[in-house]
Amino acid sequence: GAGVSQTPSNKVTEKGKYVELRCDPISGHTALYWYRQSLGQGPEFLIYFQGTGAADDSGLPNDRFFAVRPEGSVSTLKIQRTERGDSAVYLCASSLRGLGDSPLHFGNGTRLTVT
Amino acid sequence: SQQGEEDPQALSIQEGENATMNCSYKTSINNLQWYRQNSGRGLVHLILIRSNEREKHSGRLRVTLDTSKKSSSLLITASRAADTASYFCARGDGGFKTIFGAGTRLFVKA
Repeated sequence: GAGVSQTPSNKVTEKGKYVELRCDPISGHTALYWYRQSLGQGPEFLIYFQGTGAADDSGLPNDRFFAVRPEGSVSTLKIQRTERGDSAVYLCASSLRGLGDSPLHFGNGTRLTVT
Repeated sequence: SQQGEEDPQALSIQEGENATMNCSYKTSINNLQWYRQNSGRGLVHLILIRSNEREKHSGRLRVTLDTSKKSSSLLITASRAADTASYFCARGDGGFKTIFGAGTRLFVKA
């Protein structure tokens, strides 16, 4: 595809519910990142995939958050038992190589609102 | 916190003026990147400067890096109203992560 695609663009859910956020990276990009951005702040690192494996998940805030990338392309970020504090914009990015030395290409994000 | 320090937090200038944004960091880096974000959109990569480089240009953008002071600056010359956006510095930590600062919100008045 032309760029990184994230769906849905907006998600409103009730406290305690389960949500899945999808990211379709640029074709051929082996590295995929998830970030979370609160209003007025910079993106906060959550997890990094190189191929199918999570190379670094140290940014996931707790065990309610989980992400997968089963075929090394599309990734899904899963949040269980959502809390109001999970409300934020979730950004996905991909890059050709990863390793922090190649530019990240971002999607437009999914705005999650937990009521 | 993952985030570095950016200065100023917000900047308002007239069209045609230059805009300078600064970024400081605490740990060693192998590169520093600058990104731009328009409201409601994802971030767009502007420029990457490696730790062994001191200055880099791209169009109206000039980035400098001083590793001894652990700081970088982004200069936008002859600003336009369309440059209104948030600007973030991001450092490659030598591992897998790219760590972002809190950003500078630039407003260019026409």
